[in-house]
Amino acid sequence: EAAVTQSPRNKVTVTGGNVTLSCRQTNSHNYMYWYRQDTGHGLRLIHYSYGAGNLQIGDVPDGYKATRTTQEDFFLLLELASPSQTSLYFCASRGQGYTEVFFGKGTRLTVV
Amino acid sequence: GDSVTQTEGLVTLTKGLPVMLNCTYQTTYSPFLFWYVQHLNEAPKLLLKSSTDNKRTEHQGFYATLHKSSSSFHLQKSSVQLSDSALYFCALSPMSNYNVLYFGSGTKLTVEP
Repeated sequence: EAAVTQSPRNKVTVTGGNVTLSCRQTNSHNYMYWYRQDTGHGLRLIHYSYGAGNLQIGDVPDGYKATRTTQEDFFLLLELASPSQTSLYFCASRGQGYTEVFFGKGTRLTVV
Repeated sequence: GDSVTQTEGLVTLTKGLPVMLNCTYQTTYSPFLFWYVQHLNEAPKLLLKSSTDNKRTEHQGFYATLHKSSSSFHLQKSSVQLSDSALYFCALSPMSNYNVLYFGSGTKLTVEP
């Protein structure tokens, strides 16, 4: 089965702090995604990428940067974390077309 | 724009009863629809998918039929089990940007003994 690994699994940071969430996929998938999950909102797309060096803006990009350094690695950066960014973050990958999206186990971020 | 609506936030049922979770969508062109299931403290996983109008798709006892005339893709099961308790998401890949997956807000299904 396709593998998507996120780190860290849990993170607590202070308001205004700097946070980087990491994601690695070993599926040779072109597409990678960052979603946030909040009760009542489902999964909302932050950023996505179709290859190393590429970045596409999702539906809720404000306050987030992302970078795809290699085919395997996709990072989400919060440079000035705010309490509104407390959430469960999922990374995912997908091959071409209407194929299945595979999710990592998530990172729970708390901004205090 | 492209969007997915799930009207029920919470559904509670007794084991053995049938269930239908509603999903409607909005998109300009022919879509690809998905149902994902997320068990407690786990990642979402694909349950089933379809792009064919009026054709029933089944997996693990769940089934759904895409009806383009009513923009719906409701998830059904004839007899729920305790292990079906989970969060269910309907999702859409629009033809205009088929590499993106847009999710509904989710329905939490709780099955009681």
